[in-house]
Amino acid sequence: SQTIHQWPATLVQPVGSPLSLECTVEGTSNPNLYWYRQAAGRGLQLLFYSVGIGQISSEVPQNLSASRPQDRQFILSSKKLLLSDSGFYLCASGLAGADTQYFGPGTRLTVL
Amino acid sequence: GIQVEQSPPDLILQEGANSTLRCNFSDSVNNLQWFHQNPWGQLINLFYIPSGTKQNGRLSATTVATERYSLLYISSSQTTDSGVYFCAALTNYQLIWGAGTKLIIKP
Repeated sequence: SQTIHQWPATLVQPVGSPLSLECTVEGTSNPNLYWYRQAAGRGLQLLFYSVGIGQISSEVPQNLSASRPQDRQFILSSKKLLLSDSGFYLCASGLAGADTQYFGPGTRLTVL
Repeated sequence: GIQVEQSPPDLILQEGANSTLRCNFSDSVNNLQWFHQNPWGQLINLFYIPSGTKQNGRLSATTVATERYSLLYISSSQTTDSGVYFCAALTNYQLIWGAGTKLIIKP
């Protein structure tokens, strides 16, 4: 089965600072990868998804970007964080052609 | 696009009680999933259920695709069942999420 790793678990950053969150997947090849954000513990918002290396689709125009430099690595970045970027960020992996997504433990980001 | 609605938004029960959570979706979907998010934020897959009924211990789920709803049953609730329960409908390869039902089980 798949295992999704995310780090760091928690992060406190000042406004205007850069961000890099990393997600890696074990136990599968060529997965679909997803970044979600969850605010206030309710509802997940899809930010980005990727069906392959270098292929990124953005769902919501915003201050963030994503990259997929390797098959099982997905990175969420920002050049300058905003207060509104605070939230719980979840990485998910799903097999291409299959329906189930599996989630990492998440990163709780606080922007002050 | 497709919309997913869950009810009730909040539910407080005594340990040992049974509960039913509902998920309605506005259009045909390829699949439906139920997740439990524990108080530490971890999302756990409960059921992958495009139609019919599945059971796993004290939890069971039923999806009636023709009527566009799914139900999650929790029997003999335990405090460890607390958290937020989400349903998510799969369309293409994206999950469309409901807002969740926050369940609190009191000892």
